[in-house]
This record gives sequence, C-alpha cells and structure tokens, in this order.
Amino acid sequence: SQQGEEDPQALSIQEGENATMNCSYKTSINNLQWYRQNSGRGLVHLILIRSNEREKHSGRLRVTLDTSKKSSSLLITASRAADTASYFCATSANQAGTALIFGKGTTLSVSS
Amino acid sequence: GAVVSQHPSRVICKSGTSVKIECRSLDFQATTMFWYRQFPKQSLMLMATSNEGSKATYEQGVEKDKFLINHASLTLSTLTVTSAHPEDSSFYICSASRASEEKLFFGSGTQLSVL
Repeated sequence: SQQGEEDPQALSIQEGENATMNCSYKTSINNLQWYRQNSGRGLVHLILIRSNEREKHSGRLRVTLDTSKKSSSLLITASRAADTASYFCATSANQAGTALIFGKGTTLSVSS
Repeated sequence: GAVVSQHPSRVICKSGTSVKIECRSLDFQATTMFWYRQFPKQSLMLMATSNEGSKATYEQGVEKDKFLINHASLTLSTLTVTSAHPEDSSFYICSASRASEEKLFFGSGTQLSVL
C-alpha cells in the first residue's frame, strides 16, 4: 500500500536554486522520513521528523511537518548537480522495527 | 556503519526458473528485514516483513508461494522468486532495521529481468 502523493512528480532546476518537494499522507503517523534514491540504486536516509515536531534541519535540508494537514515538505537549499536523484517520503505508524510506507516520489534534476 | 549488502545486483533468467536474492546486514544485527518491489519510475511497494526464525508476513496481494522469504539469521534474509515469469521483472530492494532505530538501511537493489 502507498501512503499518498508527492508533488511535484518531477522538478528541474539550476544549480544554486532551492528545491521544494511536498508529501501528503493518509493515516496517523509516529514519524515521517525522507529518503534519496539515485537511479537504479537503493535508498539513503536523509532526515526523520517525529509527529510532535514541526520543523527540522540537517545541513542544506529543511523538513516541515503539518499533522493537521497530513503533509510534509522537504527543502533543499543551494542545490548542486549531485543532488539529482529521486526523493521519497516514508511514514511509520509505529516505533522502531516497523515497515515504512513510501510516497510516490519526486524526481529532481539539477543542471549546472 | 549499518551497511546492507544485496546480491546479485542484476540477474537475467528464463521464464520458469527460480531466482534467489540475498540481503545481508554486514555490521549489525537486523531485528527485522523488509522486501520491497519497485517498478520503473514508481515508488516502493512493501512485499513482506521478515523476522529471524519466524515466518514472513506478506502484504495483501503478494503470493507467499511465489516469493519465498527465508530469514535464517539476524544478518541474512533471502527472497526466492519461484517459477519466474516476465511480469515478475522488477527492481527488488531489501532493507533492514537496527534495534531501537526508526530509519531503515537499504541494500542497493536487484534488477530482475525474466525473458
């Protein structure tokens, strides 16, 4: 099963610009996570935000969470060509050791 | 730390044959492992959850007799696609959870092509 939608499905920007991706989900969550996937590869964890948090930062990443709207956004500032990848949000209803349910993903292309 | 190794990375097989995919946590004991399937330009669909020494829990619509999962140890889970058909062609990704952590660690995936 999938949690919901991410938009945009695809995003093309120039190096140095900011990229914002949005994610919506359907059920109650314990936490929401963002992952990155390079083409044909596995996923790499970027950042986790808990249901009682509203915003979190990690380097050039900023994540927000609005549980009332069941939505989250990922902002990548000062993007680089190396940020080109697909980005997925994933939610967990329970604590550690439970499966993640992934959104549909946003494909980001950063051109130099 | 927390490296998950998945092999093979790519496999091509004839229709009707079986294919085994291995997923190993190299530097930690994985309390639970998960198998996902991903079609081109689409999201990851959870197939099953496996815990060491017990039967896997399959998601609705996933045939347990076709996708055999064995979790023999705390560091190894295998997915066997039995009697593979072209519609089984897909990208299969395993992931593992480490005790008390909510994030998952992913293997690099296996691209299965059934001719």
